[in-house]
Amino acid sequence: GAGVSQSPRYKVTKRGQDVALRCDPISGHVSLYWYRQALGQGPEFLTYFNYEAQQDKSGLPNDRFSAERPEGSISTLTIQRTEQRDSAMYRCASSLANSRGKLFFGSGTQLSVL
Amino acid sequence: DQQVKQNSPSLSVQEGRISILNCDYTNSMFDYFLWYKKYPAEGPTFLISISSIKDKNEDGRFTVFLNKSAKHLSLHIVPSQPGDSAVYFCAAVPGNSGGSNYKLTFGKGTLLTVNP
Repeated sequence: GAGVSQSPRYKVTKRGQDVALRCDPISGHVSLYWYRQALGQGPEFLTYFNYEAQQDKSGLPNDRFSAERPEGSISTLTIQRTEQRDSAMYRCASSLANSRGKLFFGSGTQLSVL
Repeated sequence: DQQVKQNSPSLSVQEGRISILNCDYTNSMFDYFLWYKKYPAEGPTFLISISSIKDKNEDGRFTVFLNKSAKHLSLHIVPSQPGDSAVYFCAAVPGNSGGSNYKLTFGKGTLLTVNP
């Protein structure tokens, strides 16, 4: 596709449920990132992949959060046993190698945990 | 602890005038700085960047200035147009020697409104 695609666009779930957020990066982009953005804040780093390797997961808040990119393309961010504090916009971005921060962001998945 | 600070949540200017958006940072390991622009319901899009070895970078109506000693950068938009109305995020990445040179740290953003 022409840009980074994220699905679903909106996700409403009940506390305690697991959710999976999908990201389809720009074709040919080897680097993939997940960020989380709370209302009124800038995006905050969660994790980074280079091809299929998760190079940095230091931004994941706790072990309920995990991400994978098994074939070096599509990535899934999974949140287990969701809590209300997990409610936020989750943004995926992709880039070429050595992009020095010049990322292409998707429109995000707005997660609401009731 | 906010390492990248945008102290003005909003800014309103008249069409044709200059818009100046400001950003301060605290981490000395940052050596590359970027501005992103975000329209409602869209993801942020890259606008302009500057390396710490420069003090100015210009691209059309957009100019970014960096004052390394003051740990301050600013984005100037001249002349401002109604289509520039958006949230502007300042962001920074550390240098190669600082590690994590892929990890963007964002400010909270400034909402710019350009009035016709």
